[in-house]
Amino acid sequence: NAGVTQTPKFQVLKTGQSMTLQCAQDMNHNSMYWYRQDPGMGLRLIYYSASEGTTDKGEVPNGYNVSRLNKREFSLRLESAAPSQTSVYFCASSESGGLAGWGQFFGPGTRLTVL
Amino acid sequence: DAKTTQPPSMDCAEGRAANLPCNHSTISGNEYVYWYRQIHSQGPQYIIHGLKNNETNEMASLIITEDRKSSTLILPHATLRDTAVYYCIVIGGSNYKLTFGKGTLLTVNP
Repeated sequence: NAGVTQTPKFQVLKTGQSMTLQCAQDMNHNSMYWYRQDPGMGLRLIYYSASEGTTDKGEVPNGYNVSRLNKREFSLRLESAAPSQTSVYFCASSESGGLAGWGQFFGPGTRLTVL
Repeated sequence: DAKTTQPPSMDCAEGRAANLPCNHSTISGNEYVYWYRQIHSQGPQYIIHGLKNNETNEMASLIITEDRKSSTLILPHATLRDTAVYYCIVIGGSNYKLTFGKGTLLTVNP
């Protein structure tokens, strides 16, 4: 099992450009999440999907959109990138159908720089 | 969700047990205690979680006090690769959204 995979690993954008971060999991998990981590700070939840077909906003959703393409894949889109979105982005998944009691498993991250 | 308090840093000698404390005095009955860690530049890693009883897996043991107001993560034989920031998180019910605070930086020394 590959677990949670993310592409790309690194990306540099210019202000105003758009891009989509891809995430896939092969653990048959119901729930998937997108977090960002800024230097010296903890993770902050951007969006999550409790189950296939549902998405909801987290703590810092502004400037982002998501798509739960199927049970395996959950993408994060930046429509018009801004320097404030320079960060490391982590995708995670859990077996939970929306309940606590299940660990979240994280991908290796995408390091995004917006110039 | 209940707030947690952890020491900002701890040291441990390689091969010894590392005991990481966490206070969560406002925890409610349906809230779980989770532990994650993050090794520099990597994604967070799930370690263990528990509700009331002590738990053990291949990575660690989790000891929860009887009143559930505090817990201790135990790494039985710490190695240099266990150097990381360890996060104690309390979460429960239908709220499964993790909030990562500052955690404890555990440094394992040779």
